[in-house]
Amino acid sequence: VQLVESGGGLVQPGGSLRLSCAASGFTFSTYSMNWVRQAPGKGLEWVSYISSSSSTKYYADSVKGRFTISRDNAKKSLYLQMNNLRDEDTAVYYCARDGGGYYLGWGQGTLVTVSA
Amino acid sequence: SYELTQPPSVSVSPGQTARITCSADALPNQYAYWYQQKPGQAPVLVIYKDTERPSGIPERFSGSSSGTIVTLTISGVQAEDEADYYCQSVDSSATHPSVLFGGGTKLTVL
Repeated sequence: VQLVESGGGLVQPGGSLRLSCAASGFTFSTYSMNWVRQAPGKGLEWVSYISSSSSTKYYADSVKGRFTISRDNAKKSLYLQMNNLRDEDTAVYYCARDGGGYYLGWGQGTLVTVSA
Repeated sequence: SYELTQPPSVSVSPGQTARITCSADALPNQYAYWYQQKPGQAPVLVIYKDTERPSGIPERFSGSSSGTIVTLTISGVQAEDEADYYCQSVDSSATHPSVLFGGGTKLTVL
């Protein structure tokens, strides 16, 4: 299982960013996927879930209405569109393969910094 | 929803047994999972479904559950086990399932 995130960077409050996660080493189209984040020096926080067919999506209350999860099974890629970013969204964002309520594999993470 | 509470830190000497607890104010019959995270690295699953150990995880890692408390036990702790450990579960009581993590426990090997 290999997951490689990209797209992080520095963005001003209120700005937007799109994260990507490229998957390999497993049949991507058959697995649900998640985004999990970790603020600097803090614990883990689940952000969003998407089913294998994209028919079901869930979001943490802290990002609902601002973030959108999506995937492209043909490209074996997972995405997170983040709009109206806030200071408290600053974190390392990990994509993680779902194992049925838990995470079987994680990427190395991409850092998102929201600051003026 | 409910919260998962872990002790901020646990310290043990090499060769001793470390026990890290995770308590919930209301565990709705959901499994617990444990992750190990070393500095600068992504988390790694070490226990799933309360007591199961993924392939490749040393036998010294074990999990148990009793009521609303789940415990990660590391027997014969080694220096390489020094890391942050997080418990995780799922809250299916809300309008849609959400994933919960404990605040994390820093294991120090003295």
